[in-house]
Amino acid sequence: NAGVMQNPRHLVRRRGQEARLRCSPMKGHSHVYWYRQLPEEGLKFMVYLQKENIIDESGMPKERFSAEFPKEGPSILRIQQVVRGDSAAYFCASSPDPGYEQYFGPGTRLTVT
Amino acid sequence: GESVGLHLPTLSVQEGDNSIINCAYSNSASDYFIWYKQESGKGPQFIIDIRSNMDKRQGQRVTVLLNKTVKHLSLQIAATQPGDSAVYFCAEKLPGNDMRFGAGTRLTVKP
Repeated sequence: NAGVMQNPRHLVRRRGQEARLRCSPMKGHSHVYWYRQLPEEGLKFMVYLQKENIIDESGMPKERFSAEFPKEGPSILRIQQVVRGDSAAYFCASSPDPGYEQYFGPGTRLTVT
Repeated sequence: GESVGLHLPTLSVQEGDNSIINCAYSNSASDYFIWYKQESGKGPQFIIDIRSNMDKRQGQRVTVLLNKTVKHLSLQIAATQPGDSAVYFCAEKLPGNDMRFGAGTRLTVKP
């Protein structure tokens, strides 16, 4: 059973470009969570999605950031017009149920130049 | 907003000693807690969890203790090994399924 997959593992974007981060949850998991982590800091919750629905996006900036989890395919975290402050590691986690442990992917490290 | 905090940002122990990592949580309604281990360049890895109807849970070399009276969580690692060196996060599940992580404690094991 493959774990949570994220790609790309590393992404470099210039200021103003768009970044698309993909997350494929574990098989059988329909709950996906996105987190952001700055160096030497903890994980900051961004958004929680179920298939085709955003359940909680309270941690996600209102502008430039969006997330989706379509019926088919991976969950996508999209950052438009990236700025240097968006540089961070973005982790995706999935769970079979919101009351259970979350399994994390290896993360995507975004660098904005 | 509410957050989970840690008493010690860094902890250094001798190989073979026991380690205790502490965590204070702020929401008395949180009903599920997890400890994660994160090695450099990797995603967090589940270690052990505990629900609020328990006060202790044991795994292989690890024990989690929950004190709901003072909203305190601890992770005990027995016979700490070099491979235990990592950042350890506690997380609480808030009402509404939101998971909140603490800033983490860096554990360094000296040979």
